[in-house]
Amino acid sequence: SQQGEEDPQALSIQEGENATMNCSYKTSINNLQWYRQNSGRGLVHLILIRSNEREKHSGRLRVTLDTSKKSSSLLITASRAADTASYFCATASSGYALNFGKGTSLLVTP
Amino acid sequence: GAGVSQTPSNKVTEKGKYVELRCDPISGHTALYWYRQSLGQGPEFLIYFQGTGAADDSGLPNDRFFAVRPEGSVSTLKIQRTERGDSAVYLCASSLSGGPYTEAFFGQGTRLTVV
Repeated sequence: SQQGEEDPQALSIQEGENATMNCSYKTSINNLQWYRQNSGRGLVHLILIRSNEREKHSGRLRVTLDTSKKSSSLLITASRAADTASYFCATASSGYALNFGKGTSLLVTP
Repeated sequence: GAGVSQTPSNKVTEKGKYVELRCDPISGHTALYWYRQSLGQGPEFLIYFQGTGAADDSGLPNDRFFAVRPEGSVSTLKIQRTERGDSAVYLCASSLSGGPYTEAFFGQGTRLTVV
């Protein structure tokens, strides 16, 4: 079963704009991670935020985590056409398996 | 290579046949994971190895699915009596230690099509 749910399912923006994706989950977590997937194949790890952290930055990425609301957001600033991909949140709870959501499909047009 | 390698990249098989999917993790990574991703869905956990042993196989859908990692490196996912519903991309990932805060590196996956 999938723990996370991303919102929106699809997002279309122009280059230079910011993209915000949200993730909600159901059970308590150790950490939450965001992954990017191009063309439905391999996933690339973007960022990990621990349950005791509220915000984290990595380059043009900003992730927030609100454990009281069981939600996270991923912000991509100054988007580029190369950011076009599917983005997944994944949660890790008591075990080591990651539980992925269904993903947000992001399209960045020039 | 430096990344996780999966072979074959594509596999077409007939319903009822047996298939093996191979994963070669990053050298030195003790943790190895198998996931399955259907079209339009996120990856679903199948099994997790720590070294040679399956530490968590709770995601395997039924007893037609089995995975091994005999020497703590390469892993093989085995599917018996394949069904059309098994068609999906099978993803392998490895991480350095397998703890809850370690990054997992994914391979490009094997696209399995059962006809």
